[in-house]
Amino acid sequence: ETGVTQSPTHLIKTRGQQVTLRCSSQSGHNTVSWYQQALGQGPQFIFQYYREEENGRGNFPPRFSGLQFPNYSSELNVNALELDDSALYLCASSDNEKLFFGSGTQLSVL
Amino acid sequence: AQSVTQLDSQVPVFEEAPVELRCNYSSSVSVYLFWYVQYPNQGLQLLLKYLSGSTLVESINGFEAEFNKSQTSFHLRKPSVHISDTAEYFCAVSLSWAGGTSYGKLTFGQGTILTVHP
Repeated sequence: ETGVTQSPTHLIKTRGQQVTLRCSSQSGHNTVSWYQQALGQGPQFIFQYYREEENGRGNFPPRFSGLQFPNYSSELNVNALELDDSALYLCASSDNEKLFFGSGTQLSVL
Repeated sequence: AQSVTQLDSQVPVFEEAPVELRCNYSSSVSVYLFWYVQYPNQGLQLLLKYLSGSTLVESINGFEAEFNKSQTSFHLRKPSVHISDTAEYFCAVSLSWAGGTSYGKLTFGQGTILTVHP
């Protein structure tokens, strides 16, 4: 048990819709990172938030956006969903010493 | 930019046999190196990491990995595997100059599925 919880665990959307995924970080963690893991692939870094500011972004388009709240919980928003967005989305929080992953949200885009 | 190549997508092995999961990386700057394990229907868990110092690092469950700078490798080994080691293993790197927040900015390999047979 890592103390990082993600919701929902599964989600089905249709192409063109918008989705919000949520992450509750472990207490005391001021950094959260989001990853996309397509089937059969390793996780790919989407972006990181540190003390509510974006602190690095991977090779993802602007329709992927995020927020980190004062209590260090976080959201990942994806607009104009595409079929290729179907993947497991992982949230990871850290206190700058160790990184803890949640179990992920499985997103299916039909 | 950095990249990670895991040379084997699947590694089948019998229980109590030794195993090596291979990982090579490419980076123009110094990196931190990690191995993560993902058990079925669970999130990623850190197995071991190399930040600096001794090039041989060990985990609490008998795995070890050796950082080889000249060969840009970080292979994972275990002398005797158990059924419970069946999982997918990911090698990852992050940039060492970026400080503590770099732990969250990882570049992963594609993963190696280790299957331990009785």
